[in-house]
Amino acid sequence: QQQVKQSPQSLIVQKGGISIINCAYENTAFDYFPWYQQFPGKGPALLIAIRPDVSEKKEGRFTISFNKSAKQFSLHIMDSQPGDSATYFCACEQVTSGSRLTFGEGTQLTVNP
Amino acid sequence: GAGVSQSPSNKVTEKGKDVELRCDPISGHTALYWYRQSLGQGLEFLIYFQGNSAPDKSGLPSDRFSAERTGGSVSTLTIQRTQQEDSAVYLCASSSSPTVTYNEQFFGPGTRLTVL
Repeated sequence: QQQVKQSPQSLIVQKGGISIINCAYENTAFDYFPWYQQFPGKGPALLIAIRPDVSEKKEGRFTISFNKSAKQFSLHIMDSQPGDSATYFCACEQVTSGSRLTFGEGTQLTVNP
Repeated sequence: GAGVSQSPSNKVTEKGKDVELRCDPISGHTALYWYRQSLGQGLEFLIYFQGNSAPDKSGLPSDRFSAERTGGSVSTLTIQRTQQEDSAVYLCASSSSPTVTYNEQFFGPGTRLTVL
């Protein structure tokens, strides 16, 4: 059973455009929602994260929107750049269970120059 | 070292052989995690160590998989009698105080395992 569903599987945008990746989860016990960025041959790295008591968090060009009632959250990348081309994973975490991460399937983002 | 290191970076083995994968976490991090990333798939949790507590082995896919963490630092993931479906990238991550507050997990570069 896939607890975290991520879409789209792949995304191609033009430089300067907006990239949007969506995730939906089932377990209401999750209490932390990070996004990880992974470049080829590297391990994932934390990009931005949100707690469920806020509806939006912005860091530079990256914004998370969170809808607790719908059990959905999304990553928005404004002014997308070729250097943003990577695989993005949403994840869900439950701190009281040792913060093991449950990941979505990943989105391969390509930003064309 | 500043980050999580893993060795070897690549491992090719024959079906039925045993393999050991090593993880050196960030110094001082009490929590250590193993994940598996299969081709085109997301990351799958395998096992979690926190300090001296019993590990959370709930993600291990079969009894061929085991892991240990010596002295609260280095960890070894062992796969016995490898099968072709074990081919994947095995990622290790560490963090500090994961049960107290929200803590970033720092990932190593992974070990790419290929079972022929």
